[in-house]
Amino acid sequence: GAGVSQTPSNKVTEKGKYVELRCDPISGHTALYWYRQSLGQGPEFLIYFQGTGAADDSGLPNDRFFAVRPEGSVSTLKIQRTERGDSAVYLCASSPGQRTDTQYFGPGTRLTVL
Amino acid sequence: AQKITQTQPGMFVQEKEAVTLDCTYDTSDPSYGLFWYKQPSSGEMIFLIYQGSYDQQNATEGRYSLNFQKARKSANLVISASQLGDSAMYFCAMREGYSDYGQNFVFGPGTRLSVLP
Repeated sequence: GAGVSQTPSNKVTEKGKYVELRCDPISGHTALYWYRQSLGQGPEFLIYFQGTGAADDSGLPNDRFFAVRPEGSVSTLKIQRTERGDSAVYLCASSPGQRTDTQYFGPGTRLTVL
Repeated sequence: AQKITQTQPGMFVQEKEAVTLDCTYDTSDPSYGLFWYKQPSSGEMIFLIYQGSYDQQNATEGRYSLNFQKARKSANLVISASQLGDSAMYFCAMREGYSDYGQNFVFGPGTRLSVLP
């Protein structure tokens, strides 16, 4: 079956612009996660969804970052007024149910803010 | 304080030999899980192996095994019979607790493994 997919694979934007990053989880997976990975570092947790609701958004760095999952499947990570420091690879992962399950990752979206 | 420490930024191993990648962790929670992921240059994170804090035996998955030493808080990954395709970044990660809310899932800084022909 299909794995986690993310679009776009690359996004270049200018400082101050708004961007949306999309994640399509594995079919049937109720849990979805967003991470940010800066060059040379491990992934950093941003937000976790169980179904349609954000069960844990403690990793979102500030109120410019927001994520939704309106139908419990596809999720969109939204970044307002982008800054150069937002440049990173944004990874999405999904798991079958509870947060204790193994997470399966997508290929990531590389965001570059000029 | 660092929750996950991987002290080897880079490692080299000869093809067909075994290699151990180190991981130490810090938690006061009695319930936790430890994971290893591989990230090739393509960027995708690939799940390798999982060890629960209450598991009595060390986890094994094919050529991967986890040397779990609970008292020392270490969870080293052992790759046997290295292959050229094993060249990648390897991340150790920890999930604390078993409730569905308010958990931490943290990654270490990673170790870059290069397998030499």
